[in-house]
Amino acid sequence: EAQVTQNPRYLITVTGKKLTVTCSQNMNHEYMSWYRQDPGLGLRQIYYSMNVEVTDKGDVPEGYKVSRKEKRNFPLILESPSPNQTSLYFCASSLLDGDQPQHFGDGTRLSIL
Amino acid sequence: EDQVTQSPEALRLQEGESSSLNCSYTVSGLRGLFWYRQDPGKGPEFLFTLYSAGEEKEKERLKATLTKKESFLHITAPKPEDSATYLCALRTLMNRDDKIIFGKGTRLHILP
Repeated sequence: EAQVTQNPRYLITVTGKKLTVTCSQNMNHEYMSWYRQDPGLGLRQIYYSMNVEVTDKGDVPEGYKVSRKEKRNFPLILESPSPNQTSLYFCASSLLDGDQPQHFGDGTRLSIL
Repeated sequence: EDQVTQSPEALRLQEGESSSLNCSYTVSGLRGLFWYRQDPGKGPEFLFTLYSAGEEKEKERLKATLTKKESFLHITAPKPEDSATYLCALRTLMNRDDKIIFGKGTRLHILP
């Protein structure tokens, strides 16, 4: 089954404790992306990647890191999480062509205390 | 600056009462305009891609249209199961930046 898998689905942690949210897709997609979704602000792109070893900043990259060492995986890293990073996070992937839709994971609800 | 504005923010309709959702945009290099449906606690689910002004796509009770400045999602004779948040997104290309920008969505509630 074609899917984007995120882990964990839920995480409560404390300020400053490094964490990684994993994302994996099995569709051989080149384009992968991370979003955060906040009430009243909608979905905002954090980082995206168009291929292995190629990553670019989205609209809200501050406080986040990503890597793309393999085509299928695109982890999101919070080196020193802060409470303003409490949010619902989605990973998505698509083919590289501009008219191809994003396929989304089920989301990760992250709470930073 | 590329941006996407959706209206209304929320819409309540009676079952069978047709209406339209609006997505207006300004973009420097449009690669595609997308409509998604999002149910509470779930990731967005793809509905339509539009690229050229004048283009139309249909699926069951939904029809999406595109002009140079806006897109509409028309809902004909909606049912309660059409209740969801509908999201509009643009894929833009500007100076080698290949970004995706989402509107804030329209929360649609269909009353039985």
